[in-house]
Amino acid sequence: DADVTQTPRNRITKTGKRIMLECSQTKGHDRMYWYRQDPGLGLRLIYYSFDVKDINKGEISDGYSVSRQAQAKFSLSLESAIPNQTALYFCATSDSNRNEQFFGPGTRLTVL
Amino acid sequence: DAKTTQPPSMDCAEGRAANLPCNHSTISGNEYVYWYRQIHSQGPQYIIHGLKNNETNEMASLIITEDRKSSTLILPHATLRDTAVYYCIVRVHFGNEKLTFGTGTRLTIIP
Repeated sequence: DADVTQTPRNRITKTGKRIMLECSQTKGHDRMYWYRQDPGLGLRLIYYSFDVKDINKGEISDGYSVSRQAQAKFSLSLESAIPNQTALYFCATSDSNRNEQFFGPGTRLTVL
Repeated sequence: DAKTTQPPSMDCAEGRAANLPCNHSTISGNEYVYWYRQIHSQGPQYIIHGLKNNETNEMASLIITEDRKSSTLILPHATLRDTAVYYCIVRVHFGNEKLTFGTGTRLTIIP
């Protein structure tokens, strides 16, 4: 089984809809991250969490919110989706004692 | 975090060593050089990191110049599966675990 899972893997939604992307990990890591990737561009950080009670904005947090329900779960919400939020979304985890981040398989989101 | 500059694309023949350069002239003393790669649209994969000494692991070698203003990632015997976008990232080791990805180098391994 994959260490970092994301659901759904693909989602098509309409403008104005609320949507939640979920991330779960079995690595026992305390730190979790949400990134988005637009075609031809690198990843940009949306939100990150260093533990269950810690939530931090990244470089492009506007229009998004997150919830760290447990150490193993980190959800990303789009309260009212808009077309320019169409992108590939990645969740990642890391351990506070090490420095590499482990990424999930990604969620491809299309907002019509 | 220091800014990095990488060539947008490179080709390498299968079986040869792939050498991917990265410039980070504004790197500060407490910043490490990290390399990740992304195969097609999969999640990025950690490759290697280093501070000032050369590093080697089962995937690659990292050569950092003495002034630390540039580095080279070396894939010793490139295979078709190494075709990917390679990202060079500079950041502090502790206290700021955010990764700032640029546009990377698209490496194509040619049969």
